Amino acid sequence: DAKTTQPPSMDCAEGRAANLPCNHSTISGNEYVYWYRQIHSQGPQYIIHGLKNNETNEMASLIITEDRKSSTLILPHATLRDTAVYYCIVKGANTNAGKSTFGDGTTLTVKP
Amino acid sequence: NAGVTQTPKFQVLKTGQSMTLQCAQDMNHEYMSWYRQDPGMGLRLIHYSVGAGITDQGEVPNGYNVSRSTTEDFPLRLLSAAPSQTSVYFCASSTDWKAQSAQHFGDGTRLSIL
Repeated sequence: DAKTTQPPSMDCAEGRAANLPCNHSTISGNEYVYWYRQIHSQGPQYIIHGLKNNETNEMASLIITEDRKSSTLILPHATLRDTAVYYCIVKGANTNAGKSTFGDGTTLTVKP
Repeated sequence: NAGVTQTPKFQVLKTGQSMTLQCAQDMNHEYMSWYRQDPGMGLRLIHYSVGAGITDQGEVPNGYNVSRSTTEDFPLRLLSAAPSQTSVYFCASSTDWKAQSAQHFGDGTRLSIL
């Protein structure tokens, strides 16, 4: 699986959009981009995933660049409860789910 | 629908003791896995299973055993606990092993080895 690079930390004002970047420059054609988050002391929570098209669900939007070398997770109206560590993971069609590598992620702090 | 249930939530052991961390899922998921998370670090894969009767090693398997006799349960056994195994342990499951399967995680077991 391709490796990912994320900034270690970011701040966001409550009510504003939080844009979390992820670089995956070695991604291959059959690899999906996944985002999870981990709120303090809880298990990781699935947020969204995509292959090449932009995706949106009730939690967030995922924007994948045309060359697929990077992506951005957007939380449209961040709240204090969105403070968490956000993990960007690349997972291939031929790689089992358990071999997803969770790196250090981005610690997002939403401030009042 | 309980999702992924881990027991116990907390445990303190003495060095050399053995114990089993329980994990159960009620979603009929084929794929299950165990991770450990040390303070300030990401998750590291210990063992995983692609279905009942099939298990394999992950990134950090030493000191741990697993078995998968049913689809629902995937226990993790510590054979002889060591202080280096002090960590938070997470169990996860997904529909199958393929790329499009998102993982569902339990709330973790916090284990301290004295």
